[in-house]
Amino acid sequence: DAKTTQPPSMDCAEGRAANLPCNHSTISGNEYVYWYRQIHSQGPQYIIHGLKNNETNEMASLIITEDRKSSTLILPHATLRDTAVYYCIVRVDTGANNLFFGTGTRLTVIP
Amino acid sequence: GAGVSQSPSNKVTEKGKDVELRCDPISGHTALYWYRQSLGQGLEFLIYFQGNSAPDKSGLPSDRFSAERTGGSVSTLTIQRTQQEDSAVYLCASSFRGDEREQYFGPGTRLTVT
Repeated sequence: DAKTTQPPSMDCAEGRAANLPCNHSTISGNEYVYWYRQIHSQGPQYIIHGLKNNETNEMASLIITEDRKSSTLILPHATLRDTAVYYCIVRVDTGANNLFFGTGTRLTVIP
Repeated sequence: GAGVSQSPSNKVTEKGKDVELRCDPISGHTALYWYRQSLGQGLEFLIYFQGNSAPDKSGLPSDRFSAERTGGSVSTLTIQRTQQEDSAVYLCASSFRGDEREQYFGPGTRLTVT
């Protein structure tokens, strides 16, 4: 039962930043925002997660609005290998042992 | 290091037959999860193992589905009397105890029931 809304597809030029939006207007105070991606024919891959502060790691940045009702995943310099389906998920950090994925955003990086 | 492995990568079976799917988690990971992904849909949680605790079976769709985890490592997902709607990619994931946030997924087993 996904609690997030994402656009079904997006295109991004190679080398440009890819900004993937996610709405989670019913997020609870103890729920984190997670991002995973799934490249064709592979299992999902963890990207990043956050509670309310913006987060950055070697793969991406996560920007969460102050009201926490939406977030944006940023791939700063998209490459062709970033073409995948990106899933935005909300879940409590403890006490829940599984992930519910919606249909995600299919990002296509164009040469 | 070695990631999560699953076997077989592809399985075609006839309706009514039983199938077993195997998952080898990352060494040292005490938590193990099974999911399935039907064509064009998101992941559906099936079952979760954590150490010696009783598994969380809340996602199993019917009593035809069962899973075991022997010795806290390898897991087998069994589907009895397969139906065509069981056709999907079955994904296994593992994580460190206390760090279920970062699950590492295997490549999956594509099951086709004819």
